[in-house]
Amino acid sequence: GNSVTQMEGPVTLSEEAFLTINCTYTATGYPSLFWYVQYPGEGLQLLLKATKADDKGSNKGFEATYRKETTSFHLEKGSVQVSDSAVYFCALSGYDYKLSFGAGTTVTVRA
Amino acid sequence: GAGVSQSPSNKVTEKGKDVELRCDPISGHTALYWYRQSLGQGLEFLIYFQGNSAPDKSGLPSDRFSAERTGGSVSTLTIQRTQQEDSAVYLCASWTSGGPGNEQFFGPGTRLTVL
Repeated sequence: GNSVTQMEGPVTLSEEAFLTINCTYTATGYPSLFWYVQYPGEGLQLLLKATKADDKGSNKGFEATYRKETTSFHLEKGSVQVSDSAVYFCALSGYDYKLSFGAGTTVTVRA
Repeated sequence: GAGVSQSPSNKVTEKGKDVELRCDPISGHTALYWYRQSLGQGLEFLIYFQGNSAPDKSGLPSDRFSAERTGGSVSTLTIQRTQQEDSAVYLCASWTSGGPGNEQFFGPGTRLTVL
């Protein structure tokens, strides 16, 4: 079945630091890959996505590239802000149309 | 409304009682999902409705859990004889057709606490 393995947290950074959250997956076929974010007190929202190999998703300064050869979709941001403090979830969806999520990584950015 | 709505936002119940959780999806979205977010299990799929097709119930953890979707819109998740391990945030999401790459839009969730 489909599964997602995500870097364990929590992660604590200073403002303007570089952030990487590793995500690898196991899936049959060619899944679509997502990063969802949950800000404190808010619901899950899509951060970015990629639907085929070598696609790069980007939003709000975050980027992730769909790497089929390494089955990875690592999230990166070059300079984080306090407002990026949140829980980040890597997820995939295949043609069963169900999202499989990683465990989530809590990121705290200190001023 | 513009987004997925869920009610109640919080529910506290006693062990053994039944609860009903409601989800109003985005108008026009053909698919509706229920997920559960709990400390021990993370985010897990429960059930999926797509149009008039039979729902995919493969994620329901026990026969105490059931869900229905009336008129292709509003959905109710029912948990009978609640147990303490049912305590979690129950999330509803809706999705429009077009392939697995389309975004699922999540509601704010219902936080269920079973005492």
